[in-house]
Amino acid sequence: DTGVSQDPRHKITKRGQNVTFRCDPISEHNRLYWYRQTLGQGPEFLTYFQNEAQLEKSRLLSDRFSAERPKGSFSTLEIQRTEQGDSAMYLCASSLGTRLNTEAFFGQGTRLTVV
Amino acid sequence: EDQVTQSPEALRLQEGESSSLNCSYTVSGLRGLFWYRQDPGKGPEFLFTLYSAGEEKEKERLKATLTKKESFLHITAPKPEDSATYLCAVRVASSGSARQLTFGSGTQLTVLP
Repeated sequence: DTGVSQDPRHKITKRGQNVTFRCDPISEHNRLYWYRQTLGQGPEFLTYFQNEAQLEKSRLLSDRFSAERPKGSFSTLEIQRTEQGDSAMYLCASSLGTRLNTEAFFGQGTRLTVV
Repeated sequence: EDQVTQSPEALRLQEGESSSLNCSYTVSGLRGLFWYRQDPGKGPEFLFTLYSAGEEKEKERLKATLTKKESFLHITAPKPEDSATYLCAVRVASSGSARQLTFGSGTQLTVLP
């Protein structure tokens, strides 16, 4: 499978626990994005990497959230001290960095439920 | 602030009944308008990119068009398997957001057999 891969697909955690999600982009894509989607809404941008550099962060990304992309390959998104409001679908997408106008391909997402 | 509005929120069609979904946008410096299809519990699936007013793209029963203020996704003779949420997104050239997509809330399409 050459698409964007996310793991796990589902995560249930207790409030206050830390969680980490992983994203493996399409292999030749140097751009990687994280989005969050709640029920009935479109995805909202969280953060963007070009290779290993984190170039943009949304104001939605509080200090409890951290993302990394070591060596410009896979990425992880960690949420510390989870809150019920963090319950959402977390989507990863990747794209080629050959020009500005390029489509992003999404993974299947990680559904987080905080109880 | 960049805004993307999709209408209607939900649309029910009989199989074979053609219709259009609307995506209106208020942005500065459009760098691309994107249409995605999303099935329940899954990530968005890329459909089309449109870059400039007057541009059209087609794929099977879907046709996307773009003007300076809105885009339409036309569905011709839809089938039940076309049922999904259709998302519209824009990429703009303003500082600090040259890479992210801003999405609308989507149109949930149901095609009845």
